[in-house]
Amino acid sequence: AQSVSQHNHHVILSEAASLELGCNYSYGGTVNLFWYVQYPGQHLQLLLKYFSGDPLVKGIKGFEAEFIKSKFSFNLRKPSVQWSDTAEYFCAVGKGSQGNLIFGKGTKLSVKP
Amino acid sequence: DTAVSQTPKYLVTQMGNDKSIKCEQNLGHDTMYWYKQDSKKFLKIMFSYNNKELIINETVPNRFSPKSPDKAHLNLHINSLELGDSAVYFCASSQDGLYGYTFGSGTRLTVV
Repeated sequence: AQSVSQHNHHVILSEAASLELGCNYSYGGTVNLFWYVQYPGQHLQLLLKYFSGDPLVKGIKGFEAEFIKSKFSFNLRKPSVQWSDTAEYFCAVGKGSQGNLIFGKGTKLSVKP
Repeated sequence: DTAVSQTPKYLVTQMGNDKSIKCEQNLGHDTMYWYKQDSKKFLKIMFSYNNKELIINETVPNRFSPKSPDKAHLNLHINSLELGDSAVYFCASSQDGLYGYTFGSGTRLTVV
């Protein structure tokens, strides 16, 4: 079945630690890839997206993600996390202009001050 | 101005009742969506709708029905509410889905 997998359910880091959250998808063909963040009690906000071109995309708040087509992966990274990065992170995949976004189950990030 | 606004923010109701959640977007987007986020934070598409087509996720009970009076609005009606309907419901909109979605702030529905 087509799916989006986020490997880590809950990640706990100390401030200034580096972050990498995994995301794999099982869709074939051309896909659009997204990372969303949901701060406690808030709605989802777009962190970054990939459609084509440079597989390393930079988003807001110092986040970046790398698309590796051969691995069907789109991992999210940040060199140094802050306490304010504590949130739920969702990877999502869209198929072209017609497809709905399919979300992974999310990864909860807790950053200790 | 809020881009995608939902009302109400919180909704507590008894089993068996019928309720509606409203959603409005001022972005001029063509497509609107409803997502359900369960207690484990899992987001699941319920509907997508533009002025041409309504796409329903086949797992959504027919007690749920979207209603769109115009391009900027997509309301969600729920009949005969059940305990399992308790969740956060997010409305979203996009321009053909290409550039990601803009989400509303969510409606926390609690069925007691």
